[in-house]
Amino acid sequence: ELKVEQNPLFLSMQEGKNYTIYCNYSTTSDRLYWYRQDPGKSLESLFVLLSNGAVKQEGRLMASLDTKARLSTLHITAAVHDLSATYFCAVDSTSGSARQLTFGSGTQLTVLP
Amino acid sequence: ETGVTQSPTHLIKTRGQQVTLRCSSQSGHNTVSWYQQALGQGPQFIFQYYREEENGRGNFPPRFSGLQFPNYSSELNVNALELDDSALYLCASSLVAGSAFFGQGTRLTVV
Repeated sequence: ELKVEQNPLFLSMQEGKNYTIYCNYSTTSDRLYWYRQDPGKSLESLFVLLSNGAVKQEGRLMASLDTKARLSTLHITAAVHDLSATYFCAVDSTSGSARQLTFGSGTQLTVLP
Repeated sequence: ETGVTQSPTHLIKTRGQQVTLRCSSQSGHNTVSWYQQALGQGPQFIFQYYREEENGRGNFPPRFSGLQFPNYSSELNVNALELDDSALYLCASSLVAGSAFFGQGTRLTVV
């Protein structure tokens, strides 16, 4: 059974600081996603990482994937208040003939002024 | 704007009742998946439909069932509602091997 673990689960950081969220998963996969979720809202896709060594950046967020270590990171640079949200990683796998996403528990990020 | 729409956005049901949630997939997407997200947790895979057939299922009991229609829209039905069924239900559409796009969700409260 695929397990996806994120840490930390809760993160408070000051504006302007840098931090990294980690996502470990237990079995091989060829696709990993990062999502953002605001309170009471749905999931907003941030990044899709498709291969070992993949790195993607959008604004103050950068995601990377190491398939050999089964590890993805989401790095936040010079955080701003607008980044406050819950961030999920999700790993793509097959269930029967279906492709399903297995999500981590999420990292609740609060950026303090 | 993802193009995946769900209805209703919120509803309240009584324990033991039945509920139907609806999802219209993004144009051209032939695969629909449903997820349950309990408060404070990550979404959990319920099942997936492709060409009107269920082709994969997560660890959910049979009282969770679904349909997919020829236009690729989908329904999630839950019978004999329990308090623990209170959650945000998310629908995601995709092509078979493509990225999933999520709808805004239906917040179900069981009292």
